[in-house]
Amino acid sequence: DSGVTQTPKHLITATGQRVTLRCSPRSGDLSVYWYQQSLDQGLQFLIQYYNGEERAKGNILERFSAQQFPDLHSELNLSSLELGDSALYFCASSVGVNQETQYFGPGTRLLVL
Amino acid sequence: AQKITQTQPGMFVQEKEAVTLDCTYDTSDPSYGLFWYKQPSSGEMIFLIYQGSYDQQNATEGRYSLNFQKARKSANLVISASQLGDSAMYFCAMREGWGFGNEKLTFGTGTRLTIIP
Repeated sequence: DSGVTQTPKHLITATGQRVTLRCSPRSGDLSVYWYQQSLDQGLQFLIQYYNGEERAKGNILERFSAQQFPDLHSELNLSSLELGDSALYFCASSVGVNQETQYFGPGTRLLVL
Repeated sequence: AQKITQTQPGMFVQEKEAVTLDCTYDTSDPSYGLFWYKQPSSGEMIFLIYQGSYDQQNATEGRYSLNFQKARKSANLVISASQLGDSAMYFCAMREGWGFGNEKLTFGTGTRLTIIP
């Protein structure tokens, strides 16, 4: 158990809908990262937050947004969902800037029908 | 160009044998970190081992060791005395640069390792 929690574990929804994925980092970790794992794109970095502020942005679609709250949990919001958004979404956390290891949560498996 | 290349899509290894999973990387930044993660069929990503670009010695963690050849830009994972529980996907990843905004990981396509009893 990495100490990173993600809810829900599975999510099935329809095209056009909006969902929210939630992540709680390990105790003491200030950085939260979101990654998407899909069959065609592999594992891709989406976005990073550090202590409530956006730190880095990757291949995140405009339909997707994220935030990190004062208690350091983070949410990834996916809207106007398309079939191609079906993927495993991981949250990872690390202590902070320049800390080497990111620990991953169990992931949320999203299926868009 | 691919930042991380894993050329072995799948490998079959006899139980108790050692196995080497290949990883080559491409970066012009002198400061970087290399990671290996294991993804069992259940889906979670498990951190295995880390090697920094300035580390003088190869990293080791229990049965895992990293064969780091900087000049060749390779960071192969070696698993000694393989076990059935080692069957999983293995990903090599890299963090380029240091400091603000440089913490993201870039992953390879993975190698599916199957341990044969």
